[in-house]
Amino acid sequence: RKEVEQDPGPFNVPEGATVAFNCTYSNSASQSFFWYRQDCRKEPKLLMSVYSSGNEDGRFTAQLNRASQYISLLIRDSKLSDSATYLCVVSTMEYGNKLVFGAGTILRVKS
Amino acid sequence: DAGITQSPRHKVTETGTPVTLRCHQTENHRYMYWYRQDPGHGLRLIHYSYGVKDTDKGEVSDGYSVSRSKTEDFLLTLESATSSQTSVYFCAISSGGLTLRTSSYEQYFGPGTRLTVT
Repeated sequence: RKEVEQDPGPFNVPEGATVAFNCTYSNSASQSFFWYRQDCRKEPKLLMSVYSSGNEDGRFTAQLNRASQYISLLIRDSKLSDSATYLCVVSTMEYGNKLVFGAGTILRVKS
Repeated sequence: DAGITQSPRHKVTETGTPVTLRCHQTENHRYMYWYRQDPGHGLRLIHYSYGVKDTDKGEVSDGYSVSRSKTEDFLLTLESATSSQTSVYFCAISSGGLTLRTSSYEQYFGPGTRLTVT
C-alpha cells in the first residue's frame, strides 16, 4: 500500500466548476500536510498547508481529518490556469522532515 | 519565489561516468534535500542535509552520494551513472521552523535537472 494515495484522474471540468480532490495517508504519525501544484515539466510549488481546523485561501479550501487519515482540496470557480497536477503531501519527523508525495491528481479545466 | 538554483538544468551522460548536480540556495535555510521524480513513482527522497557537513540517506540512496561544505550548496553525485538513474532531479530547501499554527515544515523546490544516462 502506498503511503499517500490519490486518484490520478484526470478530472476534466469546465471553467467555473467546483472540483474536489481527496487523498488518504497511511502513517498515523504524519505531522504536517500540504497540497502542492506541479505544472508540466516544472517543479512542485506549494499551494497551501493544511491545518487541523481546515483553511481557505481564495478559491481553494483544504480540509484534514486525522481520525480518518484523509485530506481534501476543494477548488471553486475553476480557471483555465488551474490546469495542473495536484500533489498531496504529508511529512513526518523522520528523515529530517521527509515529505511523502502522492502520485498526483491531474486537473484539466476547459473553456 | 525561493532563491534556489540547480545546475546543470539538462545533462546527457554515458553509463559508467560520474555526474555531479549542484543545488544553490540564497535563503540560508538549514535543511536541503535531493529528490528524484519518475513516472508512476512520484517524488522520492534520495539524500538530505540538516546542516553543513551533516547529511543522511533517504529512501532511494543507493548509487548516490552528497556533500554540503557550505550552507548554500548541496551537491549530489552519481558515482557511476546507470540508465536507471535517468530521471528528473529536484533540490528542495526548508527552514525547519515552526509557525504559530502548526509545526509546518514547508519545502521549496528548485527548477530541476533533467538527467539522461545513455
